[in-house]
Amino acid sequence: EAGVVQSPRYKIIEKKQPVAFWCNPISGHNTLYWYLQNLGQGPELLIRYENEEAVDDSQLPKDRFSAERLKGVDSTLKIQPAELGDSAVYLCASSQSMNTEAFFGQGTRLTVV
Amino acid sequence: AQKITQTQPGMFVQEKEAVTLDCTYDTSDQSYGLFWYKQPSSGEMIFLIYQGSYDEQNATEGRYSLNFQKARKSANLVISASQLGDSAMYFCAMREGRITDKLIFGTGTRLQVFP
Repeated sequence: EAGVVQSPRYKIIEKKQPVAFWCNPISGHNTLYWYLQNLGQGPELLIRYENEEAVDDSQLPKDRFSAERLKGVDSTLKIQPAELGDSAVYLCASSQSMNTEAFFGQGTRLTVV
Repeated sequence: AQKITQTQPGMFVQEKEAVTLDCTYDTSDQSYGLFWYKQPSSGEMIFLIYQGSYDEQNATEGRYSLNFQKARKSANLVISASQLGDSAMYFCAMREGRITDKLIFGTGTRLQVFP
């Protein structure tokens, strides 16, 4: 069974440019998460989807970040415009339902210069 | 206040020895779940083990076991018979309550296994 797939693995952009990350969860997993991991820290939740509905986006900086999960499968996370402080690893995870373990992708390492 | 505290930034262990990675948590909920994840240099977070707050027995998964001490609010990970491939970052995480589905992570412990 394929795991959570994220692309790209690495992205370098100049500040003020837009960037998008893509995630394909494990087949059949209704819950999808986007996490932000700063260097030397544990991941922090940005947004959680149940199917196509964003049920927890309280930590998402909505002035520059947006996310969508069309048809309740793949998801994209966008930053526009990117700032230097957005340099981090963006992790996508999925789980079969609430209260089951989450499986993570390999992440996208973003560097803003 | 920190919800999840991992006080060991780094740990060293010799191959084939056992090692304990510490984790304490803070919650007022009666129902919660505790998780351990491994993050190798490739970046992926790999699920290792889960302990529910109502589970009476300590969780075990192969060489991993969770030493759950509810009164002390600790959930230490024990890795037996360490292998070189165990070298990685290890994160303790908690999910509170039955409604929220947010995992709260600690800052991690870097484990290095040497021959």
